[in-house]
Amino acid sequence: DAKTTQPPSMDCAEGRAANLPCNHSTISGNEYVYWYRQIHSQGPQYIIHGLKNNETNEMASLIITEDRKSSTLILPHATLRDTAVYYCIAPSRDDKIIFGKGTRLHILP
Amino acid sequence: DSGVTQTPKHLITATGQRVTLRCSPRSGDLSVYWYQQSLDQGLQFLIQYYNGEERAKGNILERFSAQQFPDLHSELNLSSLELGDSALYFCASSVGSGLSRSYNSPLHFGNGTRLTVT
Repeated sequence: DAKTTQPPSMDCAEGRAANLPCNHSTISGNEYVYWYRQIHSQGPQYIIHGLKNNETNEMASLIITEDRKSSTLILPHATLRDTAVYYCIAPSRDDKIIFGKGTRLHILP
Repeated sequence: DSGVTQTPKHLITATGQRVTLRCSPRSGDLSVYWYQQSLDQGLQFLIQYYNGEERAKGNILERFSAQQFPDLHSELNLSSLELGDSALYFCASSVGSGLSRSYNSPLHFGNGTRLTVT
């Protein structure tokens, strides 16, 4: 597996940008980095993914370092509804898509 | 709405029993994945099917089995149920087979089946 490492928890003030880091130093050259989030006990929700270039969609931005060993998910204007567990994953060569413990993001009013 | 449908939403059964969980993938998706999430635990990968064939296997117990049918829906069968099998069971689907090294197909999850074994 391309193992990912994330901080267990983070706080962010409502209205501010939430920056969630992820280390994936063993990622291979053509393996994508994916971000998902899980709100309470709902099904995980796909957010964004990228390979080399920075990506942006209506939910978030993804910044990937040039060496591809780490990335940052940015929620530009966090709201209380963004409180969730955020997972960074890099699918492994043996095709198992493994979710780690993720980062529990608390949005503070 | 992810487009992935899981039934039933809730299931309560007794130890030793057998249950079947059903998943209908998004239209056009060929892969189905099953995950187990126990209380306050992470998502544990169980098994993946692609176009009817088993593609990858995680830590799935021998008491558990799954299959994907020609219409691409999938069923997860859990037998000889134990108290510890109580969990949320999620199904996800994707377009691709998941074959990396160039994996480029997000997973879309259903809302899960909450299984309670008493």
